Amino acid sequence: DQQVKQNSPSLSVQEGRISILNCDYTNSMFDYFLWYKKYPAEGPTFLISISSIKDKNEDGRFTVFLNKSAKHLSLHIVPSQPGDSAVYFCAAQPSGGSYIPTFGRGTSLIVHP
Amino acid sequence: ETGVTQSPTHLIKTRGQQVTLRCSSQSGHNTVSWYQQALGQGPQFIFQYYREEENGRGNFPPRFSGLQFPNYSSELNVNALELDDSALYLCASSLDGTRSIEQYFGPGTRLTVT
Repeated sequence: DQQVKQNSPSLSVQEGRISILNCDYTNSMFDYFLWYKKYPAEGPTFLISISSIKDKNEDGRFTVFLNKSAKHLSLHIVPSQPGDSAVYFCAAQPSGGSYIPTFGRGTSLIVHP
Repeated sequence: ETGVTQSPTHLIKTRGQQVTLRCSSQSGHNTVSWYQQALGQGPQFIFQYYREEENGRGNFPPRFSGLQFPNYSSELNVNALELDDSALYLCASSLDGTRSIEQYFGPGTRLTVT
């Protein structure tokens, strides 16, 4: 049973438009959420995170929104650029104990020039 | 600052064999975590080593074992390889074990078991 779900395997967006990547989770013990970006032949790179005490975190073109009641988070990229084309992983972890993040399956984003 | 490196880049093994994968952590990092990423899946946590001790383990059988050395580099050993062990194995380093949220990943080792 997947505790972190990224239901869209792929997303195609035009350059300059907004990209919205979604992530749902089922475990109420998760209280820290991260997004990673992965290019082919490279390891995942940390992009942005959010704690459960917040509902929004912004870093340049990237914004993550968290809706705890819906157990849903989303990553917004505005404006999208061709260099943003990559696989995006959502990850979640509980507070306390060993740091054991659970990853979603990823969403492949393609930004067309 | 040196990033996380992994070796080998890829390798092919036969079912039943044993394999050792290696990881050098980022300079200054004392924690290494290993992940298995099967095709079409997200990374799945195998275990973490903090200051040479295992500091958490995911749902993997005992034939997956590891080591961390005094310089904080690490090895992942897999015995009695099975076809389903074919995957990308990622190593990630961080600082101070469970208190660290952000991890830095290496490029991975692609293991194929035939």
